[in-house]
Amino acid sequence: NAGVTQTPKFRVLKTGQSMTLLCAQDMNHEYMYWYRQDPGMGLRLIHYSVGEGTTAKGEVPDGYNVSRLKKQNFLLGLESAAPSQTSVYFCASSQTILDSPLHFGNGTRLTVT
Amino acid sequence: QQPVQSPQAVILREGEDAVINCSSSKALYSVHWYRQKHGEAPVFLMILLKGGEQKGHDKISASFNEKKQQSSLYLTASQLSYSGTYFCGTEGNSNSGYALNFGKGTSLLVTP
Repeated sequence: NAGVTQTPKFRVLKTGQSMTLLCAQDMNHEYMYWYRQDPGMGLRLIHYSVGEGTTAKGEVPDGYNVSRLKKQNFLLGLESAAPSQTSVYFCASSQTILDSPLHFGNGTRLTVT
Repeated sequence: QQPVQSPQAVILREGEDAVINCSSSKALYSVHWYRQKHGEAPVFLMILLKGGEQKGHDKISASFNEKKQQSSLYLTASQLSYSGTYFCGTEGNSNSGYALNFGKGTSLLVTP
């Protein structure tokens, strides 16, 4: 089993460009999440999904959109990238929302210049 | 709504003990603990549930005080492999999303 796979691993964007980060999980988990990690700030929840076709906002949703068209995939989009979105992005999945472990992908390091 | 962790950083010698604390301003159903090594993804350690159930690592212990809305992670007889950043996670609210919200982390360095 691959677990949670994120693509790409690294990306450099110019301000104003758009991109989509892909997260795929093969554990048949209902719940999926996108977090961003910045030095000294911990992991902050961007958006999450409680099942196929659903999305919900987290702590820091502004500037991001998400879609969960298939149960195994959770996409994070940046429509017009800003330098403040330079970060490491982690996707995670879990069987239930609060009483089962989160399984994290290896992260995507995004730099916006 | 991020939980608050303390201390921010700890340096230990191998074999020493450490306690990492996590507190929340709201009533909790569960507290999660994860460890992250530099350049890697966070890895699950433990879940503590309201009512006393625990799931996870059998060599690391933790407590959950529901009334005080606090949890503590106990690292005893520390090993070099314990080095990393520890995060606690608790459920959010309508402003922060009801999934796990993580604290800012506690950096632990174990030296020989």
